[in-house]
Amino acid sequence: EVLLVESGGGLVQPGRSLRLSCAASGFNFRTYEMNWVRQAPGKGLEWISYISSSGSTIYYADSVRGRFTISRDNAKNLLYLQMNSLSAEDTAVYYCARGGTVAGIDYWGQGTLVTVSS
Amino acid sequence: DIQMTQYPSSLSASVGDRVTITCQASQDIRNYLNWFQQKPGKAPKLLIYDASNLETGVPSRFSGSGSGTDFTLTISSLQPEDIATYYCQQYDNFPPFTFGPGTKVDIK
Repeated sequence: EVLLVESGGGLVQPGRSLRLSCAASGFNFRTYEMNWVRQAPGKGLEWISYISSSGSTIYYADSVRGRFTISRDNAKNLLYLQMNSLSAEDTAVYYCARGGTVAGIDYWGQGTLVTVSS
Repeated sequence: DIQMTQYPSSLSASVGDRVTITCQASQDIRNYLNWFQQKPGKAPKLLIYDASNLETGVPSRFSGSGSGTDFTLTISSLQPEDIATYYCQQYDNFPPFTFGPGTKVDIK
């Protein structure tokens, strides 16, 4: 069974940083592209970052480029999102999601809530 | 970037009704479209991939069609457990992956 479990969310002050993790199991993690997608309260889905299976190709949405960094550790089956200079507009549930250019996104984690507030 | 639109934004139908949701891309995306179902407080779940292929385990009352710029998701007989928001997502022209704004379905 494919499982993606996010962690690291919480309440953080504006301007501060936070790192999210996503633990993957049930599939060969090192062969899959991965993404982070977020959903602000009551809003739709917003893709924010992609990383290729090897980590050599990375993309960001304009809304987070220069502030967020995606990375992965294929030896540990972990996906990360380092978030810097957070603002209230970054308040959302953050999902890690498997998939990419070949077949789009298929599996999602349960999400972790990030709240940016003073 | 490719823009995705969906309509209606919400609908209310009776149990047993046939429900159709439309997704439109701003340019040709061939058949590179997924449909997701999201129930309140839950993660999205893949229903349809490549515009018309039913994901394993998804009830056969769900179907998808279309190619190019116009796509539809159909629920042939609406059930109470289908109450959710439905999103389309294109993956032909990337980055970014683009989602539609969603269609909220509830029971009349």
